[in-house]
Amino acid sequence: AQKITQTQPGMFVQEKEAVTLDCTYDTSDQSYGLFWYKQPSSGEMIFLIYQGSYDEQNATEGRYSLNFQKARKSANLVISASQLGDSAMYFCAMREGGAGGTSYGKLTFGQGTILTVHP
Amino acid sequence: GAVVSQHPSRVICKSGTSVKIECRSLDFQATTMFWYRQFPKKSLMLMATSNEGSKATYEQGVEKDKFLINHASLTLSTLTVTSAHPEDSSFYICSAQERGGIDTQYFGPGTRLTVL
Repeated sequence: AQKITQTQPGMFVQEKEAVTLDCTYDTSDQSYGLFWYKQPSSGEMIFLIYQGSYDEQNATEGRYSLNFQKARKSANLVISASQLGDSAMYFCAMREGGAGGTSYGKLTFGQGTILTVHP
Repeated sequence: GAVVSQHPSRVICKSGTSVKIECRSLDFQATTMFWYRQFPKKSLMLMATSNEGSKATYEQGVEKDKFLINHASLTLSTLTVTSAHPEDSSFYICSAQERGGIDTQYFGPGTRLTVL
């Protein structure tokens, strides 16, 4: 079974509008972390936002916020006031286990969503 | 955020030759670095975990003798693709884990390898 699922291969949004990119995950660990990365056409992976499994509040970073619904195992990324420069591939990733575990740090990535922002 | 560099950014080589890719954490020490491979418009696939001062841990299906990893210092890990074949052509990305806080992985800009 997929550990991280991004069901939207592509999304389109109008400039200045908000957009939600979906991510669901599957884990039996109590301690885990969820990350979102942006990959522009240049190829670099840019860290956007992080949500820990024990964090009670949804993470926010500027125009990015993470809609964390633990019971539903979803961690959707919300981008507000979209800009043309937001056009990129977006990856959701999960890190399982707590610090000190033998596999600590390994990230499992979703399939990615290509976001296109229209002027 | 922390900065990770990767060199070279692009390399073209002939079949049978070896290629070395360097990954450096520029402003932090990274006891753990990771090497990923990515095909066009696909997700990142973890190849191996590189730990400073010890042997790398390879993911299932990744040939350790073909993809040699050395983590010689707290700021440098290298991936050597030995006896390269055209099917090794891909985008290789490294990441370095900054310990402390949320232990974020920061990624290098990637290396595009083309084997002729």
